[in-house]
Amino acid sequence: EAGVAQSPRYKIIEKRQSVAFWCNPISGHATLYWYQQILGQGPKLLIQFQNNGVVDDSQLPKDRFSAERLKGVDSTLKIQPAKLEDSAVYLCASSLDTGDGYTFGSGTRLTVV
Amino acid sequence: AQSVSQHNHHVILSEAASLELGCNYSYGGTVNLFWYVQYPGQHLQLLLKYFSGDPLVKGIKGFEAEFIKSKFSFNLRKPSVQWSDTAEYFCAVKTTSGTYKYIFGTGTRLKVLA
Repeated sequence: EAGVAQSPRYKIIEKRQSVAFWCNPISGHATLYWYQQILGQGPKLLIQFQNNGVVDDSQLPKDRFSAERLKGVDSTLKIQPAKLEDSAVYLCASSLDTGDGYTFGSGTRLTVV
Repeated sequence: AQSVSQHNHHVILSEAASLELGCNYSYGGTVNLFWYVQYPGQHLQLLLKYFSGDPLVKGIKGFEAEFIKSKFSFNLRKPSVQWSDTAEYFCAVKTTSGTYKYIFGTGTRLKVLA
């Protein structure tokens, strides 16, 4: 079974620039999550999709972050404009249903300079 | 607010030593519990999970965890660690009531000396 695919693996941008990350979950997984993992901390949920609907985006900084999953399959997470404190690994995960453990992608390491 | 605490941030053990990593959560309702492992340079992987039933859960690579409801704890154990267990370990809790939340602890970095 193919895993959760994420791209790019690494990204370096200047503050105030915009950036987008892409995620393709495991086929058939209805639930997709975006997490932010800052160095030395545990992953923090940014947004959760069930198919193409948003289940939880309470911790998403909506003034600069946005995410979509238009066809209920792959998803994009965008930051505009980026701040220094956005430097982190952005993890995408998917699960078969909302009760299961996740399968994580390899993440995108973002450095904002 | 719900939270997950992992009190040991860094643990160093020699090979063959026994391991116990603590995880405590704050939430009064029913929860599902998970341990994830992140090996150096790799992505997070599920070690084991507890939903209901026997509170002693066995996972991959010889790991087990015990859910003690009265203590709100889900500690991870392994009787004899190996150098290859060097990794970061994350406890996660999923609340199952209402708008559920999936919360990770801050992680415990384990280094096993050969």
